[in-house]
Amino acid sequence: DAGVTQSPTHLIKTRGQQVTLRCSPKSGHDTVSWYQQALGQGPQFIFQYYEEEERQRGNFPDRFSGHQFPNYSSELNVNALLLGDSALYLCASSGREWGTEAFFGQGTRLTVV
Amino acid sequence: AQSVAQPEDQVNVAEGNPLTVKCTYSVSGNPYLFWYVQYPNRGLQFLLKYITGDNLVKGSYGFEAEFNKSQTSFHLKKPSALVSDSALYFCAVRDGRDDKIIFGKGTRLHILP
Repeated sequence: DAGVTQSPTHLIKTRGQQVTLRCSPKSGHDTVSWYQQALGQGPQFIFQYYEEEERQRGNFPDRFSGHQFPNYSSELNVNALLLGDSALYLCASSGREWGTEAFFGQGTRLTVV
Repeated sequence: AQSVAQPEDQVNVAEGNPLTVKCTYSVSGNPYLFWYVQYPNRGLQFLLKYITGDNLVKGSYGFEAEFNKSQTSFHLKKPSALVSDSALYFCAVRDGRDDKIIFGKGTRLHILP
């Protein structure tokens, strides 16, 4: 079982550019959530995808968008990058059972210059 | 809205001594509570969870946590600390009526040899 895998591991982008981050969930999981973890902070919930639709969204602007594919993998897109978007982006997958814990990937470290 | 508070930014404990990392929470419905650990440049690893039942839950690496409904707390404990326990610890809560998991800001645990 490969667990949750994210790509790329590191990324450097320029202000104003767009970025796409990718996530493959743990085998058997159908729900994918994305989190932003700024340096020295706890992870902040961005949004969650289930059955290819955004089910919930945190307090993030529309520049942050996502997608879930039929195989449950997911993408996070960020447009018009700002310096403040520099962070570790974490993907988490979970199953359908209530109370199940989320499993996290290693994250993508995004640096905006 | 749910929230999590970790009142200590850092906890220092001598190796072999017991450790406690504090967490309090606020939810509208029944709480699902989690502890995760993060090592440098890594994603989050699940330690343990409370869903229902016994107030004392046991998890990975000898950690345990005590759920106290009246004090809305879920403190992480370990009887005898190891240097390898040094890491960043996050408490998280999920409202039973919601899907997203909300994290505290984290507590850095430093075990002194």
